Amino acid sequence: GAGVSQSPRYKVAKRGQDVALRCDPISGHVSLFWYQQALGQGPEFLTYFQNEAQLDKSGLPSDRFFAERPEGSVSTLKIQRTQQEDSAVYLCASSPDRFIDSGNTIYFGEGSWLTVV
Amino acid sequence: AQSVSQHNHHVILSEAASLELGCNYSYGGTVNLFWYVQYPGQHLQLLLKYFSGDPLVKGIKGFEAEFIKSKFSFNLRKPSVQWSDTAEYFCAVGSTLGRLYFGRGTQLTVWP
Repeated sequence: GAGVSQSPRYKVAKRGQDVALRCDPISGHVSLFWYQQALGQGPEFLTYFQNEAQLDKSGLPSDRFFAERPEGSVSTLKIQRTQQEDSAVYLCASSPDRFIDSGNTIYFGEGSWLTVV
Repeated sequence: AQSVSQHNHHVILSEAASLELGCNYSYGGTVNLFWYVQYPGQHLQLLLKYFSGDPLVKGIKGFEAEFIKSKFSFNLRKPSVQWSDTAEYFCAVGSTLGRLYFGRGTQLTVWP
């Protein structure tokens, strides 16, 4: 499709289980972002890739969170030993250029809903 | 630290009423401002954005926003809302490298 695609759309994980969330950005988009959106809150930045380089991971809440984009296209967000507070929607977004100041829009996917029980 | 405040968490209006959603920000650098909308079951979509120039920005679906630098505000307006405008609205500030700081959102419900 033409948009940002995320999978799975819904995931229920038992506490302590590892999960992997996938993002297919729009083809050719250089920039890729991951955001976490807790219930009733706005999205919060997790990490940013420019092609395969992870330029900013300052938003990752703990070392249980890991993201990669090895070939500069598809990205995976991995959460190890999930905890209840990890329950949230995880949003992926992409942009065609390197810097938002250029005026390019960021396009969001529909998100992966993670529930940890 | 950068932050975005949206004053109203839930706004309820009747069709044809006028809308204004408040947004204030705190950011130390060059400001890029955005309003995103999320319709039920759909992804975040860009309504409008301000980078520079005319502080009155017009977006899609009849929405507009005004950047008032002295008030650190970027309020969203629409003169006459429709039932189809029912959605959640997020104000955001953009930093270098594209990182966005979002407000917590305002849920707009429009009654027909």
